[in-house]
Amino acid sequence: AQKVTQAQTEISVVEKEDVTLDCVYETRDTTYYLFWYKQPPSGELVFLIRRNSFDEQNEISGRYSWNFQKSTSSFNFTITASQVVDSAVYFCALRSDSWGKLQFGAGTQVVVTP
Amino acid sequence: EAGVAQSPRYKIIEKRQSVAFWCNPISGHATLYWYQQILGQGPKLLIQFQNNGVVDDSQLPKDRFSAERLKGVDSTLKIQPAKLEDSAVYLCASSLEAGLRNEQFFGPGTRLTVL
Repeated sequence: AQKVTQAQTEISVVEKEDVTLDCVYETRDTTYYLFWYKQPPSGELVFLIRRNSFDEQNEISGRYSWNFQKSTSSFNFTITASQVVDSAVYFCALRSDSWGKLQFGAGTQVVVTP
Repeated sequence: EAGVAQSPRYKIIEKRQSVAFWCNPISGHATLYWYQQILGQGPKLLIQFQNNGVVDDSQLPKDRFSAERLKGVDSTLKIQPAKLEDSAVYLCASSLEAGLRNEQFFGPGTRLTVL
């Protein structure tokens, strides 16, 4: 069975602070993909990053970076120098089903105040 | 390139009424998904189509929910009769093909309120 846990319900920061979102996943499959999506107040889910299970190299993309550790089944996501526009709900998701079904976590609300 | 289109954006109905949602995926995308997102939760897959065939409807409450994608392009999701617990945002997504690598693109969703 697949499961994604986002233990943080809400994180509040002041602009320019860094924000790290935690994600822990469970799957018995050896091949899988992990995703982060952003859901602003408008409601549309916006794809941010994707990582496959064979590549644990951590990367930085602009103000976004992620830390993928298979040993702890974690896929954490960091926003550096947060901005008010980063205020949204962030979802971690797992895909290991061959048909591409996404299993989402419950989401973390990020509130960035000026 | 146009994104995934959904209508209506908002719908308010009373319990036991019927409602239908429409989705037009990105042109050329073979795979279409309907998700239900209850307030405070992550989206949950209701049904997945590959062209006009269903590949996963294990979490669709089939006694009241139905969906079709007759010509393998746009799709409708129907609830009949609606219950209070059906209040949620219904998201449609599409991808070029099914499978692990293919990115899913989401529409803006339809927010349903059942009174």
